[in-house]
Amino acid sequence: RKEVEQDPGPFNVPEGATVAFNCTYSNSASQSFFWYRQDCRKEPKLLMSVYSSGNEDGRFTAQLNRASQYISLLIRDSKLSDSATYLCVVKERYSTLTFGKGTMLLVSP
Amino acid sequence: DVKVTQSSRYLVKRTGEKVFLECVQDMDHENMFWYRQDPGLGLRLIYFSYDVKMKEKGDIPEGYSVSREKKERFSLILESASTNQTSMYLCASSSRQSNEKLFFGSGTQLSVL
Repeated sequence: RKEVEQDPGPFNVPEGATVAFNCTYSNSASQSFFWYRQDCRKEPKLLMSVYSSGNEDGRFTAQLNRASQYISLLIRDSKLSDSATYLCVVKERYSTLTFGKGTMLLVSP
Repeated sequence: DVKVTQSSRYLVKRTGEKVFLECVQDMDHENMFWYRQDPGLGLRLIYFSYDVKMKEKGDIPEGYSVSREKKERFSLILESASTNQTSMYLCASSSRQSNEKLFFGSGTQLSVL
């Protein structure tokens, strides 16, 4: 059974803080990794892919550790608008996406 | 603006009714998916389709069926609704070339009484 585990949170941080989420996956055959974002009462949307060498998109940095089978997302200089649930997503070759249950982030003024 | 449109935002049905949830996408995507999302359980895949008239079971297909007669439309059918099918239902689509990027509809909150 494919498993993607996340701390559900919530993570409560002040504006400007740096926050990091981790996610672990059980299937070592997993090939592709992503973070999706879901705002309250909205649909999920792709935030960023996660590459083996690590990658950045503005204030967001994603990293992959294949040996330990975990993925991380770092958010620097948190904004109020970053408040959302962050879904870790894993894909095996020739398979559909497996979603984690999400980590809730609340950024306060 | 690309779109995945679900026919209803809120739906209330009675136990035993047959329920149709409709989903239409305007992006000419090959792949379409139906998920349900429940508190504490996350997103779970019910059925998916990689082409017209094709369907594949996801992780929780019991009590559901699907229909894909046209490329742009993917319907989820609850043959005999039960209270444990009360949930948020999300439709999604993706292209064959970029199948990791799912575009979701805004969801249908189904309540079965």
